[in-house]
Amino acid sequence: NAGVTQTPKFRILKIGQSMTLQCTQDMNHNYMYWYRQDPGMGLKLIYYSVGAGITDKGEVPNGYNVSRSTTEDFPLRLELAAPSQTSVYFCASSLSGGAGGEQFFGPGTRLTVL
Amino acid sequence: AQKITQTQPGMFVQEKEAVTLDCTYDTSDQSYGLFWYKQPSSGEMIFLIYQGSYDEQNATEGRYSLNFQKARKSANLVISASQLGDSAMYFCAMRRGSGYALNFGKGTSLLVTP
Repeated sequence: NAGVTQTPKFRILKIGQSMTLQCTQDMNHNYMYWYRQDPGMGLKLIYYSVGAGITDKGEVPNGYNVSRSTTEDFPLRLELAAPSQTSVYFCASSLSGGAGGEQFFGPGTRLTVL
Repeated sequence: AQKITQTQPGMFVQEKEAVTLDCTYDTSDQSYGLFWYKQPSSGEMIFLIYQGSYDEQNATEGRYSLNFQKARKSANLVISASQLGDSAMYFCAMRRGSGYALNFGKGTSLLVTP
């Protein structure tokens, strides 16, 4: 049981390049999330999904896109990378929504845009 | 909007002593959940403890306990018998009963000294 896995671990992009951050969970969780963590800050929600085919914006969605074609996978797409997108990206999943329900986090992807 | 405030940017504690990390929150919801996560220097997010807004007793998990004072809207984390491995960033987070995302505070850096 691997939990939540993310690839790559590190990436350097040039301004204007595109890339996809991969996220996979093997816990059969319906709910999945993408957060970003800027230096010295807590995590902020980019996008979330409550099930395959259903996604919605979080607090900071600009510059990103997501899709959810399967329960297991929730990739995050950066179309035109900007220096402001330099951050650590965390994918998470949970069995349930609402007040309870622990969110399990992946190890993170450290992205630098130069 | 939900807001989480962690007023202690950094804390020191001696090994084997207890330490309290402060967290206050702002919400008009009746149903919500409060979480604490640990982020060591390696970067992963580790779930520590959860408290539901309707739980009458304070949550405990091993050396971690959550001092929940609903009227004061505070959810302080108490770590007993600190260990060197407890040195890390600690994040308080809240999730609405009707929501999905975790809203994080800015974190408290804890350093445990010998």
